[in-house]
Amino acid sequence: GNSVTQMEGPVTLSEEAFLTINCTYTATGYPSLFWYVQYPGEGLQLLLKATKADDKGSNKGFEATYRKETTSFHLEKGSVQVSDSAVYFCALSDRGGTSYGKLTFGQGTILTVHP
Amino acid sequence: DTGVSQNPRHKITKRGQNVTFRCDPISEHNRLYWYRQTLGQGPEFLTYFQNEAQLEKSRLLSDRFSAERPKGSFSTLEIQRTEQGDSAMYLCASSSPDRANYGYTFGSGTRLTVV
Repeated sequence: GNSVTQMEGPVTLSEEAFLTINCTYTATGYPSLFWYVQYPGEGLQLLLKATKADDKGSNKGFEATYRKETTSFHLEKGSVQVSDSAVYFCALSDRGGTSYGKLTFGQGTILTVHP
Repeated sequence: DTGVSQNPRHKITKRGQNVTFRCDPISEHNRLYWYRQTLGQGPEFLTYFQNEAQLEKSRLLSDRFSAERPKGSFSTLEIQRTEQGDSAMYLCASSSPDRANYGYTFGSGTRLTVV
């Protein structure tokens, strides 16, 4: 089956620090990969996506590259802000058969950024 | 585009009672998904609809759970004889079929507390 593993959290950083949140996956097919973000008290928002190997997704200064050879999709940001404090979820979508579009999520990583 | 709307936002119920949640998807989206998110975990897939047809159900969806989408527009998720283990955030999402693999839009969720 499909699964997603995220680095253990929580992560605490000072403002302007570099951020990496690791994500690896296993999939039976050729998945699309996503990062979702959940701000306190809000629903899930799509942060970025990549649909094929070597694609780089980017949004709001965050980036992640689809690495098929290492089955990874690590999230990075060069300089975090206090407003980036949230829970980040890595997810994959299996493109095959009747499960098309169904998401499998990692357990989430809590990010706290201090001024 | 008013987004995906879920009601109620919060529900507190006594163990053994029945509860029903409603999801209104984005109007042109014919795919609708339900997920459940427990504290500290990523969302887990429950079921999805294409138009009014329920195409897949997770093994997580016990016989006490039922979901409907009678006219292919809004959907309801009912839990009968609630148990404390049903306490979670119930998330709804929608997409169009050709965009399902590109990430979809989540509602803000219904938080259920069973006491």
